[in-house]
Amino acid sequence: ENVLTQSPATLSLSPGERATLSCRASQSVSNYLAWYQQKPGQAPRLLIYDASNRATGIPARFSGSGSGTDFTLTISSLEPEDFAVYYCQQRNNWPPTFGPGTKVDIK
Amino acid sequence: QVQLQESGPRQVNPSETLSLTCTVSGGSISNYYWSWMRQPPGSGLESIGYIYYSGSTNSNPSLKSRVTISVDTSNNQFSLKMRSVTAADTAVYYCARARTAWGAFDIWGQGTLVTVSS
Repeated sequence: ENVLTQSPATLSLSPGERATLSCRASQSVSNYLAWYQQKPGQAPRLLIYDASNRATGIPARFSGSGSGTDFTLTISSLEPEDFAVYYCQQRNNWPPTFGPGTKVDIK
Repeated sequence: QVQLQESGPRQVNPSETLSLTCTVSGGSISNYYWSWMRQPPGSGLESIGYIYYSGSTNSNPSLKSRVTISVDTSNNQFSLKMRSVTAADTAVYYCARARTAWGAFDIWGQGTLVTVSS
């Protein structure tokens, strides 16, 4: 199983600041990495697929980069609705696996 | 727009079978992969398995011996059965759609909490 680790576990920032979240895979996933946002009591929402492609309707302030084993999700300027938990997920190896999540909370 | 809705018992007794159905509305079940995920309270996400509309399916090796996923294209539904459940199977269960077997999952149901308890 391809294990994903995310850092930091918690990121405390203020609205308007830049958020940089990391995801590292134990084996290469090529570019087959996605990012999701989850708010309390809600299902995850797809933000980014295949490392750098924004999903339908996702604002341009969300961007993804990376390949192989190291990936980054950047939120250029945090809006109040962006405070949530973010998960990465790989689809290069079966079974698909998720990282443990990074919580972005209000400083 | 396409929407997914999970349905099924919210409580299951230990050692019995958990059964959930996901109904796809607003679009066809054809030409997509349909998956089940779960999330124990306060924890992260785990893939359970997927089924293609044609019926091909696969499950997470950690659960494979207990899981059956099936599809009913005439009713735009797919289903999950998990046998011999224990308290460790208590979780929010989600159904989701993807264009490939292993994700990315672009549409999710709202999730349903299933508690394993007598």
